[in-house]
Amino acid sequence: DAKTTQPNSMESNEEEPVHLPCNHSTISGTDYIHWYRQLPSQGPEYVIHGLTSNVNNRMASLAIAEDRKSSTLILHRATLRDAAVYYCILKPAGGTSYGKLTFGQGTILTVHP
Amino acid sequence: DVKVTQSSRYLVKRTGEKVFLECVQDMDHENMFWYRQDPGLGLRLIYFSYDVKMKEKGDIPEGYSVSREKKERFSLILESASTNQTSMYLCASRTGGHLLNTEAFFGQGTRLTVV
Repeated sequence: DAKTTQPNSMESNEEEPVHLPCNHSTISGTDYIHWYRQLPSQGPEYVIHGLTSNVNNRMASLAIAEDRKSSTLILHRATLRDAAVYYCILKPAGGTSYGKLTFGQGTILTVHP
Repeated sequence: DVKVTQSSRYLVKRTGEKVFLECVQDMDHENMFWYRQDPGLGLRLIYFSYDVKMKEKGDIPEGYSVSREKKERFSLILESASTNQTSMYLCASRTGGHLLNTEAFFGQGTRLTVV
């Protein structure tokens, strides 16, 4: 599976935008980019995913570089509740993966009041 | 709302005991997964199941087995618990078939301590 690289930690202030980067230079043409986050003492939860085009949903936006070697998760206005570990994961579109997720170390996001 | 429910939030067992961790999902998902999460090692896949009575090994299956007798329930079994199996265990489910990019839903986790 292709690997992702994320910063170990990032900090933000409440109500400011946050840009969480992810590098995936060995991404294949059929790999989707998924983001999950894990709040303290909870299981991971889905945030967003995309293939080539930028994506928006109620939680966040995903900006994907034109060469797909990197992507950025954007939280438009961070809240204290967004403090979590954010995981960038590549998922093959087909094959027999059955949707398995391979988690890296993720980025610990701290949000200051 | 989709719910993935793990039977216990905290569990303490003795070395050598047989331990059952239960997971139930209410969305008729085909695929279910068991992960463990350890500091510095992240989440690692133990086993997964893509249908009733079907199972596949994940990355770290040693010391574990699983059971999926009904579609909604996926059990993780520690045949003889050891202290190195002290960990947070997370169950997940997602719909299957050709919809490989649907989201996975996770339970709250079971923190197992083996003494």
